[in-house]
Order: sequence, then C-alpha cells, then structure tokens
Amino acid sequence: SQELEQSPQSLIVQEGKNLTINCTSSKTLYGLYWYKQKYGEGLIFLMMLQKGGEEKSHEKITAKLDEKKQQSSLHITASQPSHAGIYLCGADRAGNQFYFGTGTSLTVIP
Amino acid sequence: SAVISQKPSRDICQRGTSLTIQCQVDSQVTMMFWYRQQPGQSLTLIATANQGSEATYESGFVIDKFPISRPNLTFSTLTVSNMSPEDSSIYLCSVGPQGAPVYFGAGTRLSVL
Repeated sequence: SQELEQSPQSLIVQEGKNLTINCTSSKTLYGLYWYKQKYGEGLIFLMMLQKGGEEKSHEKITAKLDEKKQQSSLHITASQPSHAGIYLCGADRAGNQFYFGTGTSLTVIP
Repeated sequence: SAVISQKPSRDICQRGTSLTIQCQVDSQVTMMFWYRQQPGQSLTLIATANQGSEATYESGFVIDKFPISRPNLTFSTLTVSNMSPEDSSIYLCSVGPQGAPVYFGAGTRLSVL
C-alpha cells in the first residue's frame, strides 16, 4: 500500500482556472513537503509544512496541512502554463522515514 | 539552500555495462540521498550516503548492484552495475537539512538497450 496517496492522479485545466491537489496519509506526519517536477528534470522544492493547521503561500500556490497532520492540499490560483508539471508531496514520519506521494500530473491548456 | 550539479544528464547504455553518476554540491552536507524514478512512478530511495561510512541501502537495493562512493562532504557517485533494461529510469541525488530531501540534482535519464 502507498504511504502517501495523492489525488487526483492527473489533472487538465484551462489556463486561469483554480485547482487543488490533495495528499493523504493514514498516519501522523512530522513534516509535509511539496515539490514540482518538470518533465525529465529534478524536483524543485516548493514549501514545507510542519504544524497542524499551517498554511503557506508562494506566489499563486498555497499549501495547507490539516489539524490532524494527516492531509495536505496544494491550491493553485489562476493557473498558468508555467504551472504544468508533476506535483509530488513528501513526508517524514517517526523513525526518520521519508516517503514520496504517488504524484499528480498537471496540464494547463492555454 | 544548496545547488547540486549532477551528470551525466542522460545516457544510453548497452546491457551488461555500468554507468557512474556524479553529484557535486556547492556546500558541505552530511547526508546525500540517491533516488530512482521509474517511468510514470514516484521516487524510490535507493540509499543514503554519509561521508566516511558505508551507504545505507533500502530494501530491494544492494551494494553490488548500486555501489556508492562518498569521498567528501560535497561529492558522491552512484554506479549502476551490470545494467539491464529494467534499470532504465531517472536517477536523482538529493540533499537537505534534517535528513529530508529538499534540493535535487537535475537527474540522470538512463536508457538501457
């Protein structure tokens, strides 16, 4: 079973639309990380959340971690073609184990 | 922050040969992580490399197949040995504070014929 489930698996949106990607764990997370990956490239770190209820924003991307620290959402406002790529969540839990989510492929149609 | 230079960026190799991937970090880091990303999949940790000690391999990965060197705090190599088509993947190195992968190299796209 996957440690971190992301949904949806893929997403196609029209430019200018808002979208949300979810990352869910069955266990409490100590830290939740969001990354973006362009095709064939390395991962770019977006932001990290640690506290229950925490919310961070970077430009038009906002990430939240729920109070129970088991679910995070990534919200993009007014999407642009430059937002296209694969979004991955990652998290560390007890025992210093780090897991990556299953990934969400985002396509933004101009 | 840390900047990682990873090379080669891509290679096409023959079955049975070996490829060594290099990662150079612009600052000293204790831990470096090596990941594999198979087509359409998420990242899987191969091993964690600490300077001055043997790398720690995850279940399913062995040193004979993926030997790792970590000669100093800014450099590491991963070798993919005796390659088969199943080894075709993107290989990524990563570093980060507090043991979490935050900064990544651009990746090495390996195709094995």
